[in-house]
Amino acid sequence: DTEVTQTPKHLVMGMTNKKSLKCEQHMGHRAMYWYKQKAKKPPELMFVYSYEKLSINESVPSRFSPECPNSSLLNLHLHALQPEDSALYLCASSQESQGGADTQYFGPGTRLTVL
Amino acid sequence: AQKITQTQPGMFVQEKEAVTLDCTYDTSDPSYGLFWYKQPSSGEMIFLIYQGSYDQQNATEGRYSLNFQKARKSANLVISASQLGDSAMYFCAMREGWQAGTALIFGKGTTLSVSS
Repeated sequence: DTEVTQTPKHLVMGMTNKKSLKCEQHMGHRAMYWYKQKAKKPPELMFVYSYEKLSINESVPSRFSPECPNSSLLNLHLHALQPEDSALYLCASSQESQGGADTQYFGPGTRLTVL
Repeated sequence: AQKITQTQPGMFVQEKEAVTLDCTYDTSDPSYGLFWYKQPSSGEMIFLIYQGSYDQQNATEGRYSLNFQKARKSANLVISASQLGDSAMYFCAMREGWQAGTALIFGKGTTLSVSS
């Protein structure tokens, strides 16, 4: 089973709203990732959690706040977003193996629209 | 310089034909992994196939095979017997080094259209 789930599938929010994206995996993976993807572009890495600790933050604005409550869950808290933050937000997980594939498996994404 | 280059913005193929999607990469790290993902219009990134830098044989997964030419730094995806459901964006990606939790570096993608 290589399933990563994400909720909600679609989200529309105003610039003053606070919302959260949720990601869950039950594959025993120890690394989890947030990516942002604009239309017709490749995904851009935002954050990496390794063993529930933030290991990579790609200089993401503070209006995006990640949280990893446990090894299966990853949240992305959103506050005071801008219209240019509208995008597909993808979550991924991987086993965190030192050598070899460490394949990242992606969820279906959340399509976010900021009005 | 781009680390992953996909030179074909769009490719068109008829059902049941084979198609090759090009990918070249650039790294000085001797340990790396190469991945191909498929992204249909629904948005989900679907893992297709993996090739490690030390693998002696080309990877295969069903109708997908990876033509790995290490000296030329190319990792082309070959899809045999195309199906209508293969229409999607395809991304080549690389992971440099064997350190765990390393980010993937993606190419710009190739849109594949399969017609009947």
